Amino acid sequence: QKEVEQDPGPLSVPEGAIVSLNCTYSNSAFQYFMWYRQYSRKGPELLMYTYSSGNKEDGRFTAQVDKSSKYISLFIRDSQPSDSATYLCAMCDDYKLSFGAGTTVTVRA
Amino acid sequence: DTGVSQNPRHKITKRGQNVTFRCDPISEHNRLYWYRQTLGQGPEFLTYFQNEAQLEKSRLLSDRFSAERPKGSFSTLEIQRTEQGDSAMYLCASSTSTGNEQYFGPGTRLTVT
Repeated sequence: QKEVEQDPGPLSVPEGAIVSLNCTYSNSAFQYFMWYRQYSRKGPELLMYTYSSGNKEDGRFTAQVDKSSKYISLFIRDSQPSDSATYLCAMCDDYKLSFGAGTTVTVRA
Repeated sequence: DTGVSQNPRHKITKRGQNVTFRCDPISEHNRLYWYRQTLGQGPEFLTYFQNEAQLEKSRLLSDRFSAERPKGSFSTLEIQRTEQGDSAMYLCASSTSTGNEQYFGPGTRLTVT
């Protein structure tokens, strides 16, 4: 079993819809949680960073962490075609990031 | 602040050749990380540096791989005697020593023929 599980999708939604992404993990030592966005053939871009259970909002993005369930989520409101990308969850206990496999999202105009 | 840069962006090499990649981190970031990403997977940790000291190496980093960060600034990753299984995107990231937010470069895509 992988340390971080992420549904690879693909996920296709119409413009303006809410995109919901999630990951589960098994390592209780993970303390820091991140979401990255990766466009094709580019490096991952940090979107959200959280270190405690609860919600964190940044513009159209909301990250949720539930440490008791070992479950994290990312919501994208009012999705745009430019949000079409692969979204990677990542977790960290000290310095090393452990990534999910990524979910490919397409937002249809 | 120009972000993390990596060179070359794409490298095609024949099996058995040696290749070297370079990473320039965000200035004043004293932690530097190397990851490898294959198609359809998330990045996998290879190694990291705190200043010039290499503090951890993954089991993925076979003895054909070597990384250096001689002056605590840029880093190089060398692969000797490349194999087709080495074909991947090699990503570099950097962070401060007190922050866990890692910022990635654009990657070097290696193709071994």
